[in-house]
Amino acid sequence: EAGVTQFPSHSVIEKGQTVTLRCDPISGHDNLYWYRRVMGKEIKFLLHFVKESKQDESGMPNNRFLAERTGGTYSTLKVQPAELEDSGVYFCASSLAGVYNEQFFGPGTRLTVL
Amino acid sequence: AQRVTQPEKLLSVFKGAPVELKCNYSYSGSPELFWYVQYSRQRLQLLLRHISRESIKGFTADLNKGETSFHLKKPFAQEEDSAMYYCALREYSSASKIIFGSGTRLSIRP
Repeated sequence: EAGVTQFPSHSVIEKGQTVTLRCDPISGHDNLYWYRRVMGKEIKFLLHFVKESKQDESGMPNNRFLAERTGGTYSTLKVQPAELEDSGVYFCASSLAGVYNEQFFGPGTRLTVL
Repeated sequence: AQRVTQPEKLLSVFKGAPVELKCNYSYSGSPELFWYVQYSRQRLQLLLRHISRESIKGFTADLNKGETSFHLKKPFAQEEDSAMYYCALREYSSASKIIFGSGTRLSIRP
């Protein structure tokens, strides 16, 4: 079975442009998480979906970031407009329903804003 | 504030030598502690969690609540252990977000 997949693997855009990252969780996983690692910093939580509902979005940095999870399946994370400090690696993770299950991570999307 | 501290950015040891990756945490509640590993060109994966109390790939980690530490240890390092290691925690109650340390790159010299 395929693990968590993310698209694209790399994205290079200019400041002010819009980028949309996609995450496909493992089939049957109700929980979906977004994290990011900015250069030189630790991996930080952005938000958590349970099915299509946002359970916790306390880590979203500002209103330039918009996350959606259509029909409780895949999720998108849109950055509009992108700023230089948004550069980093964006990870998606998913887990089975419930609170104690292991989170399985995707390979990440490396975003570079020039 | 919830925080995970990994004091070493890089740790280099010879093959066969013991390894200890340090991790300290600050958390007011009752956390669940983890070690994640990312090998070259692979995705982040769970190595072990403190509630399992098991050894994975020869690694062990003991939660010391008095010292708020969760150091990762292996008695004899192998070349395939070279990777990036992240200590992490999440709270039992919500069990949503995972809080990561900044990571330690472990390099095993032949």
